[in-house]
Amino acid sequence: QKEVEQDPGPLSVPEGAIVSLNCTYSNSAFQYFMWYRQYSRKGPELLMYTYSSGNKEDGRFTAQVDKSSKYISLFIRDSQPSDSATYLCAMSGLYNNNDMRFGAGTRLTVKP
Amino acid sequence: SQTIHQWPATLVQPVGSPLSLECTVEGTSNPNLYWYRQAAGRGLQLLFYSVGIGQISSEVPQNLSASRPQDRQFILSSKKLLLSDSGFYLCAWSAWTGTNEQYFGPGTRLTVT
Repeated sequence: QKEVEQDPGPLSVPEGAIVSLNCTYSNSAFQYFMWYRQYSRKGPELLMYTYSSGNKEDGRFTAQVDKSSKYISLFIRDSQPSDSATYLCAMSGLYNNNDMRFGAGTRLTVKP
Repeated sequence: SQTIHQWPATLVQPVGSPLSLECTVEGTSNPNLYWYRQAAGRGLQLLFYSVGIGQISSEVPQNLSASRPQDRQFILSSKKLLLSDSGFYLCAWSAWTGTNEQYFGPGTRLTVT
């Protein structure tokens, strides 16, 4: 079993839809959770990070963490064509330099 | 603000040739530095990380090596490239204070022919 599982998609939605992206993990030592957005042939860009269970909101983006279920989500409201990208979840223990694990990424297309 | 640079952006090299990819960070001191390789559909694989000048840890046995000659410079090298070294190479940095967010450079796409 992989430490981090992420559905690779592809996921295609119409403009304005609410998008839900998810990851599950198996290592209970993970305490820090991140979401990255990666456009084609570019480096990943950090979108959001959190280290607590519950919701964290930033504009149209909401990150949700459920540590009891080992499940994290990223919601995108009012999705735009510019949101079309691959979204990577990432997680690590606290205070470690080399234990970050990434999901394989979900490719999202928002159609106008 | 902090900026991370990588070059070259694209590289095509024959099998058996040497490799040198460079990464530099601006706007921060004593960063932790990382080299990753990204394969299609397989996520990011950590190759090397460094917490200071001359301090390199290798995560995966391979045909590659890394060096950190200056505080904000990280170099990925190979003496002889293999076909399997093709991929998208990403450099990243995080703050030395221990916060875990990593910030990535634009990447180098390497094709070994």
